[in-house]
Amino acid sequence: EPEVTQTPSHQVTQMGQEVILRCVPISNHLYFYWYRQILGQKVEFLVSFYNNEISEKSEIFDDQFSVERPDGSNFTLKIRSTKLEDSAMYFCASKGTSGVYNEQFFGPGTRLTVL
Amino acid sequence: AQKVTQAQTEISVVEKEDVTLDCVYETRDTTYYLFWYKQPPSGELVFLIRRNSFDEQNEISGRYSWNFQKSTSSFNFTITASQVVDSAVYFCALSEARGKLIFGQGTTLQVKP
Repeated sequence: EPEVTQTPSHQVTQMGQEVILRCVPISNHLYFYWYRQILGQKVEFLVSFYNNEISEKSEIFDDQFSVERPDGSNFTLKIRSTKLEDSAMYFCASKGTSGVYNEQFFGPGTRLTVL
Repeated sequence: AQKVTQAQTEISVVEKEDVTLDCVYETRDTTYYLFWYKQPPSGELVFLIRRNSFDEQNEISGRYSWNFQKSTSSFNFTITASQVVDSAVYFCALSEARGKLIFGQGTTLQVKP
């Protein structure tokens, strides 16, 4: 069964460093998403991506964040200068276009720890 | 604005008890989708069910059942004869046609042996 994969599973970084979180969505999917979950809190939408551009972003997704689909298979989230409050689990999701339902398939997440 | 409210922060039951997790949503759209996800201690999000706004039929899947009522904007989840393995955080979520998911705060379910 196809699945969304994410690497690394856990990333530790120093405050101010750049990090890139990687995701490989399901191969025939066209809609891509990033969500984050601060420990003990709810899952929050960050950004959606379609047709090689951002289709929607939340107020969390400020200039420190960027997304890219560099090679047609990977979908990356970059944080330019990490802050302590960026420590969270980051989930990638993808969605196909067919069917009446609107299901997103989630990856296992990357736990980002900023020291 | 869309919103999902899970008023129960934590629920603790003893194994074999039935438990209902509440979810109330707000949206102005006529077409929307509702979901339940389970997040076990390992952290991944496990999809349980989806419902679209035109389908108010309740659903049963094994020990799980869902009650969707548009009149009260609720999409409640019941686990019958709970088991220790059901212990997890459960999230209710709402999405519109554009696709982003709006999650509730989650309900932590602890099932004690």
